[in-house]
Amino acid sequence: GAGVSQSPRYKVTKRGQDVALRCDPISGHVSLYWYRQALGQGPEFLTYFNYEAQQDKSGLPNDRFSAERPEGSISTLTIQRTEQRDSAMYRCASSSRGGTSGGVNEQFFGPGTRLTVL
Amino acid sequence: GQNIDQPTEMTATEGAIVQINCTYQTSGFNGLFWYQQHAGEAPTFLSYNVLDGLEEKGRFSSFLSRSKGYSYLLLKELQMKDSASYLCAVREVWTGGFKTIFGAGTRLFVKA
Repeated sequence: GAGVSQSPRYKVTKRGQDVALRCDPISGHVSLYWYRQALGQGPEFLTYFNYEAQQDKSGLPNDRFSAERPEGSISTLTIQRTEQRDSAMYRCASSSRGGTSGGVNEQFFGPGTRLTVL
Repeated sequence: GQNIDQPTEMTATEGAIVQINCTYQTSGFNGLFWYQQHAGEAPTFLSYNVLDGLEEKGRFSSFLSRSKGYSYLLLKELQMKDSASYLCAVREVWTGGFKTIFGAGTRLFVKA
């Protein structure tokens, strides 16, 4: 398909384990965003990339969270030493133009990864 | 920083018109978006406003007043499939680029 894909769709892990969440954006999209969404809430910004450059990581909750996009396409969000409070839906989105270009530049969201930390 | 307020829930009748309001406070405003999110699904783009006024797209219209920090989404001829959450999102510009901040969403229930 041509949409944003994320894997795994569901991840159950034990407290203290590390997890890696993958996002495959729409081909050719310059910008890639990571959000966390709690039930009944809107997406909470975590970080975003233009190409391979991480432009803003101010939304990452603490230093256990990190993200990379080494070749400007696929991105990985890593959570180290997971805690129960990390349980949430993690969503990725991409947009066609760089995040400095303004305009409509709407974001296309992936299906999300549901993370459960036991 | 940003603060986005929208009602938590609204209920309307099939065939009617509903207006979902959004107020925001931000520095470096660079556009307001509305997204639709059905339960268990990803948000999908509905509309974008950057200048004051009304943008119409079929049954959906979105209005913006930058001086008042106010927007609304107007849904006409409501259908059952319009039952969803509607997310107001504000894009803010800063030296590092753009950041989009989402409100908590308004859950709309359309009843027969």
